[in-house]
Amino acid sequence: AIQLTQSPSSLSASVGDRVTITCRASQGISSALAWYQQKPGKAPKLLIYAASSLESGVPSRFSGSGSGTDFTLTISSLQPEDFATYFCQHFINYPHTFGQGTKLEIK
Amino acid sequence: EVHLVESGGGLVQPGGSLRLSCAASGFTFSDHYMDWVRQAPGKGLDWVGRTRNKANNYTTEYAASVKGRFAISRDDSKNSLYLQMNSLKTEDTAVYYCARVAGTTSSGLDYWGQGTLVTVSS
Repeated sequence: AIQLTQSPSSLSASVGDRVTITCRASQGISSALAWYQQKPGKAPKLLIYAASSLESGVPSRFSGSGSGTDFTLTISSLQPEDFATYFCQHFINYPHTFGQGTKLEIK
Repeated sequence: EVHLVESGGGLVQPGGSLRLSCAASGFTFSDHYMDWVRQAPGKGLDWVGRTRNKANNYTTEYAASVKGRFAISRDDSKNSLYLQMNSLKTEDTAVYYCARVAGTTSSGLDYWGQGTLVTVSS
């Protein structure tokens, strides 16, 4: 099974900061990657699909890039509501594994 | 508006069985692939499996950890998705989410239910 490794596992940042989270696949997955945001006690929310396509209704401060094995999620200017845990997931073959998550906390 | 509502969770002993349901509304359920994803307390997301739609013969895929013990099914006439869980283990304890696969199979999971908690304990 393909493994996805996110870095960092946790991150402290301030409102207004630019933040980048990385997801590395153990083998090439083309652009078959999605990013999700999850807040405590809530279901995940789709942010980015196909590595760089913004899901409808998601603020434009979120962006995704990458292909092959290396991917990034960038938040251009952190807002208070962005403090959450972020997960990547691949869709190239089964099982559709998730990364371990990156917890974004307020500095 | 799309809604997914899971039910059927609860406390079950190791080795026992449980059937989860997911009621869908607000979209053409029969058109979509559907997934189950779980999350153990305080842990990350764990993909459980998928059912394809009628056009793809309702075929299924499973994570290795549940293959042979769990079975995903659907009833398009009832807009419902199911997860039959047998031979449950303590490590199956988690919140179980049903999720809709977006337009293409690589487009992510665009709608999720609120989750139902399954606790496997003696």
